[in-house]
Amino acid sequence: TQLLEQSPQFLSIQEGENLTVYCNSSSVFSSLQWYRQEPGEGPVLLVTVVTGGEVKKLKRLTFQFGDARKDSSLHITAAQPGDTGLYLCARGGSGGSNYKLTFGKGTLLTVNP
Amino acid sequence: GAVVSQHPSRVICKSGTSVKIECRSLDFQATTMFWYRQFPKQSLMLMATSNEGSKATYEQGVEKDKFLINHASLTLSTLTVTSAHPEDSSFYICSATARQGPSEQYFGPGTRLTVT
Repeated sequence: TQLLEQSPQFLSIQEGENLTVYCNSSSVFSSLQWYRQEPGEGPVLLVTVVTGGEVKKLKRLTFQFGDARKDSSLHITAAQPGDTGLYLCARGGSGGSNYKLTFGKGTLLTVNP
Repeated sequence: GAVVSQHPSRVICKSGTSVKIECRSLDFQATTMFWYRQFPKQSLMLMATSNEGSKATYEQGVEKDKFLINHASLTLSTLTVTSAHPEDSSFYICSATARQGPSEQYFGPGTRLTVT
């Protein structure tokens, strides 16, 4: 089983603070996805990273893929209450249109006003 | 973007009864649909992979006779929880991949099942 370790599991911060969430594995990813899920809803794809060392930005969110493609991070600048949610990283399987996703355990973020 | 719907969004059933959850791809044909379950404050756990016109492939530890999956068309997959028990109470989420185009999974909004 190719496990994904996410940390921290829970994070509660004040509005305006910065934070980083990590996703690690002992094996190489062909690609990695980050999702955000709000309570009672399905996960929404934020970004897909495929190239070692890749950095992608989505407004105040910065996603980084490790050079060795075994780890990734999500950094949020000046967090807002609307950023509250469960952040999940996921890796694909063997590729193609039928690949399965394996999710990390998630980071439950609460941003307090 | 592609839209996946689930019905119902919430359902309460009595222990011992069966309940069916539908997953539909609204604007694309789905080669494959996936069913996940999620317990509170936990991640998604894949239950089964469903290909149109063939039997579903279940993950280890998931009882295929308890969680019946039917994928009769390219836009509809159903999950039936048979003889439901309180421990089956969970959030069930489906996703679908498009027949043509990138292999991204599009997730439904989930169904909250409560078994009393």
